[in-house]
Amino acid sequence: AQSVTQLDSQVPVFEEAPVELRCNYSSSVSVYLFWYVQYPNQGLQLLLKYLSGSTLVESINGFEAEFNKSQTSFHLRKPSVHISDTAEYFCAVSPSYNTDKLIFGTGTRLQVFP
Amino acid sequence: DTGVSQNPRHKITKRGQNVTFRCDPISEHNRLYWYRQTLGQGPEFLTYFQNEAQLEKSRLLSDRFSAERPKGSFSTLEIQRTEQGDSAMYLCASSLLPGLAPNEQFFGPGTRLTVL
Repeated sequence: AQSVTQLDSQVPVFEEAPVELRCNYSSSVSVYLFWYVQYPNQGLQLLLKYLSGSTLVESINGFEAEFNKSQTSFHLRKPSVHISDTAEYFCAVSPSYNTDKLIFGTGTRLQVFP
Repeated sequence: DTGVSQNPRHKITKRGQNVTFRCDPISEHNRLYWYRQTLGQGPEFLTYFQNEAQLEKSRLLSDRFSAERPKGSFSTLEIQRTEQGDSAMYLCASSLLPGLAPNEQFFGPGTRLTVL
């Protein structure tokens, strides 16, 4: 069975500092990988995804994630965070066989301080 | 495109009562998903539909839970004889049919259920 581990429940960081949110997954089959973001009082929004091809994927607001098959990881990074990045971030996998249900991690709360 | 909508946004009920939630997906989306999210956890998959057909149900979905999508448009999730453990945020999402890879799931704002 597939599962997703987000070891850090909270990550506090100062504005303009770099950040990495860790995500590891377990699966015996190929997977698709996603990062979703939930801003305060808003619904989940897709941030970025890895389906195939280049292992480095980027979002429009400066986040990037790298798929590492050997380490079964999909860590999310941003070189310089803004206060507006404060949100809950969820890593998710979807097994690549006849289903596109999402299996989520427990989430990481990113708190950016001025 | 008004996004995925869910009603009600909040529901408080007494243990043992039945509740029903509604989800209106994005109009051209064939697939509709239900997830449940408890405090401190990520969303957990419950079930999904392709048009009116329910294609998969999680083992989390006990016999007290039933979901329908009668005309392939909106969906309802009913919980019978609610228990305190049913208290959670119930999320609905919709997407287009997958091609070679899954399409983005668009999530609604959720319905927060509190069972007293």
